[in-house]
Amino acid sequence: DAKTTQPPSMDCAEGRAANLPCNHSTISGNEYVYWYRQIHSQGPQYIIHGLKNNETNEMASLIITEDRKSSTLILPHATLRDTAVYYCIVRVGGGNQGGKLIFGQGTELSVKP
Amino acid sequence: GAVVSQHPSRVICKSGTSVKIECRSLDFQATTMFWYRQFPKQSLMLMATSNEGSKATYEQGVEKDKFLINHASLTLSTLTVTSAHPEDSSFYICSARDPGASTEAFFGQGTRLTVV
Repeated sequence: DAKTTQPPSMDCAEGRAANLPCNHSTISGNEYVYWYRQIHSQGPQYIIHGLKNNETNEMASLIITEDRKSSTLILPHATLRDTAVYYCIVRVGGGNQGGKLIFGQGTELSVKP
Repeated sequence: GAVVSQHPSRVICKSGTSVKIECRSLDFQATTMFWYRQFPKQSLMLMATSNEGSKATYEQGVEKDKFLINHASLTLSTLTVTSAHPEDSSFYICSARDPGASTEAFFGQGTRLTVV
């Protein structure tokens, strides 16, 4: 699976958009970009994933560059409850190994009042 | 989304004893589940892949005799930490994917193990 690079920490004001970047320059054509987050002392929570096109769901938007070497997770209106460590993971989707995720260090997002 | 449940959420045990952690897929069948360990201020580290009806596959550096994994049914995998020591104290987390529904994995709430 391709390696990802994320900033170790970011701050965001409550109510503003949080934009979390991720570099994955060695991504392969069949690899998806997945985003998870982990709130302190809980299991990781799935947020969103995509292959080539931008994606949006009730939690966030995922913007993937045309060359697929980087992506940005957008939380449109961050709240204090969005304070967590956000992980960007690249892997082939589906199959029996679909749950096998290699976690990097992630970005610790702090949403401040 | 799919629900994965772990039990217990936290456990304290004495050195030398064994502890069993359960991971259940509540609304789907999972032929494969995954076990992770997380130390304070660190990321999740994959320990092993649990395969229903066959032996688990362990990541490099993880002792298979220390961390026994059993996946006897399509909805239950167990991790037993044998002869626990204080250095085994950690946050243990399992995950699984519903192969009939989606490509993303879902995680249990984690088990906080403290060995005293």
